[in-house]
Amino acid sequence: DQQVKQNSPSLSVQEGRISILNCDYTNSMFDYFLWYKKYPAEGPTFLISISSIKDKNEDGRFTVFLNKSAKHLSLHIVPSQPGDSAVYFCAAPGSQGNLIFGKGTKLSVKP
Amino acid sequence: KAGVTQTPRYLIKTRGQQVTLSCSPISGHRSVSWYQQTPGQGLQFLFEYFSETQRNKGNFPGRFSGRQFSNSRSEMNVSTLELGDSALYLCASSFNRGRVYFGEGSWLTVV
Repeated sequence: DQQVKQNSPSLSVQEGRISILNCDYTNSMFDYFLWYKKYPAEGPTFLISISSIKDKNEDGRFTVFLNKSAKHLSLHIVPSQPGDSAVYFCAAPGSQGNLIFGKGTKLSVKP
Repeated sequence: KAGVTQTPRYLIKTRGQQVTLSCSPISGHRSVSWYQQTPGQGLQFLFEYFSETQRNKGNFPGRFSGRQFSNSRSEMNVSTLELGDSALYLCASSFNRGRVYFGEGSWLTVV
């Protein structure tokens, strides 16, 4: 049973427009969420996080929104740039101390 | 500060063989975790080591094992390789369940 779900395997947007990547979770005990970005042939790199006591966290072009009642979070990238093309993973810390990842969404930003 | 280093980066093995992958964490980091990434499955937690002890383990068969040395370097071993073990194996280090940093991964192909 997947505790963190990313239901869109891919997303394509035009350069300069907004990219919205979605993530749903089932475990209401999760109190912290992270987004990682992964380029081919590289390991994932931390992008942005949000604590469950907040509903929004912003870092430059990246904003994460958390809707606890819906168990849903989203990552907004504005404006999108071709260099943002990568796979984005949503994750939450599990009870064992590991990170529980979604399956990822491949973002393609077209010039 | 050097990042997480994994060796080898790429390798090809035959079914039934065994493989050992190595990970050098960021200096000062005592926690090392291993993840498996396969197409469409996201990143799945294998195990975590802290101070030479396995602290947590994911849902993988006993063919997957690991260890950590006194200098925090870690190895993971997969015995009796199967075709389905073909994947990207990622090592991640953290100070102690703090921010997690990933290596570039070891690409294993089993033929």
